[in-house]
Amino acid sequence: QQPVQSPQAVILREGEDAVINCSSSKALYSVHWYRQKHGEAPIFLMILLKGGEQKGHDKISASFNEKKQQSSLYLTASQLSYSGTYFCGTKSFGNEKLTFGTGTRLTIIP
Amino acid sequence: DGGITQSPKYLFRKEGQNVTLSCEQNLNHDAMYWYRQDPGQGLRLIYYSQIVNDFQKGDIAEGYSVSREKKESFPLTVTSAQKNPTAFYLCASSIRQGDQPQHFGDGTRLSIL
Repeated sequence: QQPVQSPQAVILREGEDAVINCSSSKALYSVHWYRQKHGEAPIFLMILLKGGEQKGHDKISASFNEKKQQSSLYLTASQLSYSGTYFCGTKSFGNEKLTFGTGTRLTIIP
Repeated sequence: DGGITQSPKYLFRKEGQNVTLSCEQNLNHDAMYWYRQDPGQGLRLIYYSQIVNDFQKGDIAEGYSVSREKKESFPLTVTSAQKNPTAFYLCASSIRQGDQPQHFGDGTRLSIL
């Protein structure tokens, strides 16, 4: 079953922070995050493998709450280059296939 | 440079025709995937392959077929049985099946004439 992402779209000014959420109705084994710019290939951001795990690089980080069956992606002090659509992909126990959410469109304006 | 090459970038098909989308990778990855992307629906898995000569159906396999005769190549055929083939098709690969990053090609946009 497809994970639910929220919000569907968000517009920020450069330097503001954003949080993108990804929720599933099934117990999750792992969460993957990707960013896609319009007309381009999705780019891998990070994978979270266990509950409570937090990862990040530069000003983009994520957390995985397995009890709540959700993950959040945090973008701090956003830059123009952060614009794009962010997808979470989830794997549930017993299912080796990665299922992607419908995406969150992030627009950063100067 | 290693990567995934999809061709063509744009493809037009007449109704009733089969078309084949090419996907080649030189990353020495074992696993390869095909996704379909429609506006507002994210990425949906069509087929995936973990090793040569083996592949499994994804969530929306009806009307599509694949082959994996070589490690580097994973072509997708959109058959006439696929009633709504207009979409953006993405090919991806990973070192192996499992929780590994997927590397995507630039995609093929298929339209029906």
